[in-house]
Amino acid sequence: ETGVTQTPRHLVMGMTNKKSLKCEQHLGHNAMYWYKQSAKKPLELMFVYSLEERVENNSVPSRFSPECPNSSHLFLHLHTLQPEDSALYLCASSQDKRATNEKLFFGSGTQLSVL
Amino acid sequence: GQSLEQPSEVTAVEGAIVQINCTYQTSGFYGLSWYQQHDGGAPTFLSYNALDGLEETGRFSSFLSRSDSYGYLLLQELQMKDSASYFCAVRDYNTDKLIFGTGTRLQVFP
Repeated sequence: ETGVTQTPRHLVMGMTNKKSLKCEQHLGHNAMYWYKQSAKKPLELMFVYSLEERVENNSVPSRFSPECPNSSHLFLHLHTLQPEDSALYLCASSQDKRATNEKLFFGSGTQLSVL
Repeated sequence: GQSLEQPSEVTAVEGAIVQINCTYQTSGFYGLSWYQQHDGGAPTFLSYNALDGLEETGRFSSFLSRSDSYGYLLLQELQMKDSASYFCAVRDYNTDKLIFGTGTRLQVFP
């Protein structure tokens, strides 16, 4: 148990569906992140929130829409996805945006398949 | 550009010692960290080197040499449970982004 919980663990959706990924952290951290993990590729940072304010968007397509209603919860809203968006989506948190010793706490991820 | 290169796969037997290398190309960074990820699991933080040299944490040690643009994770007295993927990561000075390596899959055999 890392203190970061993601739901659902698995998700299969069609290209016209709308779905949301949920992340919750129980660590009292101020920064939260969305990462994309594809096979044979490094972890890709998608979004960073610090104190509920989005501080970074790494040129992610608009079909991915993040939401951070409070410092404990983070959502990733998905719509009109493409098959190449199939991947493991990881949520992480850290004490603050400049994590001490670069220590991020990750959730187990949502394995997304887009048909 | 910025990139961190790791071997894609390493195999070893129980009780052995294995070294996973990480070479990087970046104009400057704050430190080198390592994460472990079991299949289907969350990446978990292992270690962080802010300065050159060796940091030891139990069976795991991590090394950094900024002059050689090189670091490694050393795992001793390997156990079956060490079979996992290992990622190095650096925070780039210019972009302030945490950049991850390509990952090394370690398989430990009996």
